[in-house]
Amino acid sequence: GAVVSQHPSWVICKSGTSVKIECRSLDFQATTMFWYRQFPKQSLMLMATSNEGSKATYEQGVEKDKFLINHASLTLSTLTVTSAHPEDSSFYICSVRVGKSSYNEQFFGPGTRLTVL
Amino acid sequence: GENVEQHPSTLSVQEGDSAVIKCTYSDSASNYFPWYKQELGKRPQLIIDIRSNVGEKKDQRIAVTLNKTAKHFSLHITETQPEDSAVYFCAAKTGEYGNKLVFGAGTILRVKS
Repeated sequence: GAVVSQHPSWVICKSGTSVKIECRSLDFQATTMFWYRQFPKQSLMLMATSNEGSKATYEQGVEKDKFLINHASLTLSTLTVTSAHPEDSSFYICSVRVGKSSYNEQFFGPGTRLTVL
Repeated sequence: GENVEQHPSTLSVQEGDSAVIKCTYSDSASNYFPWYKQELGKRPQLIIDIRSNVGEKKDQRIAVTLNKTAKHFSLHITETQPEDSAVYFCAAKTGEYGNKLVFGAGTILRVKS
């Protein structure tokens, strides 16, 4: 399966600042990556689908101007939380889908825990 | 859009007993149903999956069944062990080109020794 890394693993920032989270596919070229958010004791919610070389597709209710996604290469997608607020504190997880078939497994990164003070 | 419901929210079993977690989905176009195990603070790990053209799949102590007509699928864990304790999520893959994974709310499984 694909090996997916995220950086940083955790970050604490002040309210109003921006935070960038990186998602890397270490052994696979991913044309599509996914960004999820998981609040404590809740399920994973898809935020957006990141497509290499094109604009990301955001889920309903997710502000694209607040959560900036850049998928500049086949191995790297970044999520920038702009003007972060305490309610943005969450566990952010990316995933990579191996192959184009809808049957193909998604491999998840280790997640980034964001705490906004 | 797709909606996945998962029950129960918590499940406590005695070591050695079986555990069953059930999910229902709403989109008849969904064709792929993975189950994930997530330990606290860690990434979800795929434990088993099933495609819509299959009714049952088994991997050692873990099995999944799918009823397309009723639009529900279930996870069965036999001979549970303390290390099975975790949060389990079901999911359904839907959307254009089958891109989107929609997750259930999760089940906290506690295996008591």
